[in-house]
Amino acid sequence: GIQVEQSPPDLILQEGANSTLRCNFSDSVNNLQWFHQNPWGQLINLFYIPSGTKQNGRLSATTVATERYSLLYISSSQTTDSGVYFCAVGASGTYKYIFGTGTRLKVLA
Amino acid sequence: SQTIHQWPATLVQPVGSPLSLECTVEGTSNPNLYWYRQAAGRGLQLLFYSVGIGQISSEVPQNLSASRPQDRQFILSSKKLLLSDSGFYLCAWSAMTDYQPQHFGDGTRLSIL
Repeated sequence: GIQVEQSPPDLILQEGANSTLRCNFSDSVNNLQWFHQNPWGQLINLFYIPSGTKQNGRLSATTVATERYSLLYISSSQTTDSGVYFCAVGASGTYKYIFGTGTRLKVLA
Repeated sequence: SQTIHQWPATLVQPVGSPLSLECTVEGTSNPNLYWYRQAAGRGLQLLFYSVGIGQISSEVPQNLSASRPQDRQFILSSKKLLLSDSGFYLCAWSAMTDYQPQHFGDGTRLSIL
């Protein structure tokens, strides 16, 4: 089955710093989503981005489907950005989503 | 707008007891429905998904089962819980049309004693 890997696994930033999170996937996909899991466990939809580039405030994402990767950019990080970031891909021909291993982000004040 | 409800938020059960977790979706028809489990400090593992009433696909052989008795209701069950069933259980839905994003409920934290 399709493999989804995220890097880095852990990231510590000072407030105000920028960061790039990466999601690599091993096969063609129909969907790709980025989620933020907050300390209470809630999964917050950040982007639905099977291809192209999107921006929402301080966050932006780019997916290059032909090269099988997606990037999530966080600019001017805030302590509330702390948590775990997951990418999830929808395997072609199915309704299943496969989650990546996650990047645990901690933003220090 | 669409909403998804999961309950209970937390649950403590003894080993060997039965389990029933319920998930319902409002504001949409014919959704795809999903159950995931997340072990502490880990990623999400897809357990079951359903594309219609009575249609269940199982992804991981285990002690759990799922049912979809109504269009917008998805139930996760076990006859006898094991210690290894502990974890954070999340329900999600996506629109029935192809290639739509998933939306998650707030999850149930299950502890087995």
